[in-house]
Amino acid sequence: DTEVTQTPKHLVMGMTNKKSLKCEQHMGHRAMYWYKQKAKKPPELMFVYSYEKLSINESVPSRFSPECPNSSLLNLHLHALQPEDSALYLCASSPESANSPLHFGNGTRLTVT
Amino acid sequence: GQNIDQPTEMTATEGAIVQINCTYQTSGFNGLFWYQQHAGEAPTFLSYNVLDGLEEKGRFSSFLSRSKGYSYLLLKELQMKDSASYLCAVRSGGSYIPTFGRGTSLIVHP
Repeated sequence: DTEVTQTPKHLVMGMTNKKSLKCEQHMGHRAMYWYKQKAKKPPELMFVYSYEKLSINESVPSRFSPECPNSSLLNLHLHALQPEDSALYLCASSPESANSPLHFGNGTRLTVT
Repeated sequence: GQNIDQPTEMTATEGAIVQINCTYQTSGFNGLFWYQQHAGEAPTFLSYNVLDGLEEKGRFSSFLSRSKGYSYLLLKELQMKDSASYLCAVRSGGSYIPTFGRGTSLIVHP
């Protein structure tokens, strides 16, 4: 079982839809991350929040909009996505220390039709 | 930037030993992680190396040589459930955020 919980597990959406992915952790971690992963590829960093503030945006298109309502929650709002955005979206958290690993959620499998 | 290289795919026999290599080029090396990822699931943490040498955890061991920019993950007594992708991830500079290699897909056959 993962200590980082993501919902939903699967999501199918049309290109005109608006949806949100949710992530929750209760380990007291102050850094939270969104990654995108295509099949047989490594996770690609999208966003990093540190102490509830956006610290890194890896030039992600504006159709992806992150939000960190509090230290335990991380959302990713989706709007006007393209079929090539179909992927596994992984949330992760970690303490802000160099020797601490990332703890990943099980991901949301997103399909854009 | 960082350059992390791993073999794309490896195969091995159940009960055997396999070594998965990872080489990296980075400035300000600050730690290397190994993760295991089964298809469609989250990566799970296996090991962390920041000093040279071997770290052992049950059937899995990880080695680091900072001067050579080299690490390996050693899996002993392979089981079918070890079939997965193994990701090497490197931290560098002042960042606590790791960069992932492309991963090595390990196939264990009977």
